[in-house]
Amino acid sequence: AQSVTQLDSQVPVFEEAPVELRCNYSSSVSVYLFWYVQYPNQGLQLLLKYLSGSTLVKGINGFEAEFNKSQTSFHLRKPSVHISDTAEYFCAVIQGRDAGGTSYGKLTFGQGTILTVHP
Amino acid sequence: DTGVSQNPRHKITKRGQNVTFRCDPISEHNRLYWYRQTLGQGPEFLTYFQNEAQLEKSRLLSDRFSAERPKGSFSTLEIQRTEQGDSAMYLCASSSRARTGLNYGYTFGSGTRLTVV
Repeated sequence: AQSVTQLDSQVPVFEEAPVELRCNYSSSVSVYLFWYVQYPNQGLQLLLKYLSGSTLVKGINGFEAEFNKSQTSFHLRKPSVHISDTAEYFCAVIQGRDAGGTSYGKLTFGQGTILTVHP
Repeated sequence: DTGVSQNPRHKITKRGQNVTFRCDPISEHNRLYWYRQTLGQGPEFLTYFQNEAQLEKSRLLSDRFSAERPKGSFSTLEIQRTEQGDSAMYLCASSSRARTGLNYGYTFGSGTRLTVV
């Protein structure tokens, strides 16, 4: 079974500073990786996903993430954050199709990282 | 495409009462998922439908929980004899799978926040 660990529960940063939100996963099979953002009292919005191909994935709102198979990591980065980026961010995985068995595409989420951008 | 719609947005109920939530997925999506999110945690998978068939249920889904998706369209999640521990955000998501390759085009609804008092 796969699991996801988000190493920081809260990350405070100042506006226009760079930020990295860390995510490590544990799985004995191949996985597909996702980052979601959740604003207060709202559902989840997809920021970016890694399915295959280039390990550097660019998403919406200037975010990007790099898949590192050897370190089983998928850290999220943004070079310059805005006040509007204040939200909770979730890393998630889906068991890969070539893994055997059936995962039905269900997501396993990390516990979330609250990003607070200060002026 | 109006997205995934969930109703109600908020529900306050007394312990022991039954509640039912509804999810209307994106019309062409054949996959539908329910997740539960408690305060300070990431969403946890509850159950999955492919069309009208419920193909997987999590251990989290106790006997008091039941989900249906008649005719493979909207879905309902019912909780009987609610307990305070059921207080959470219940999220619905739908997706489709492309004929070739993978297309995890998940779309989440805004959720139903349940408070059991």
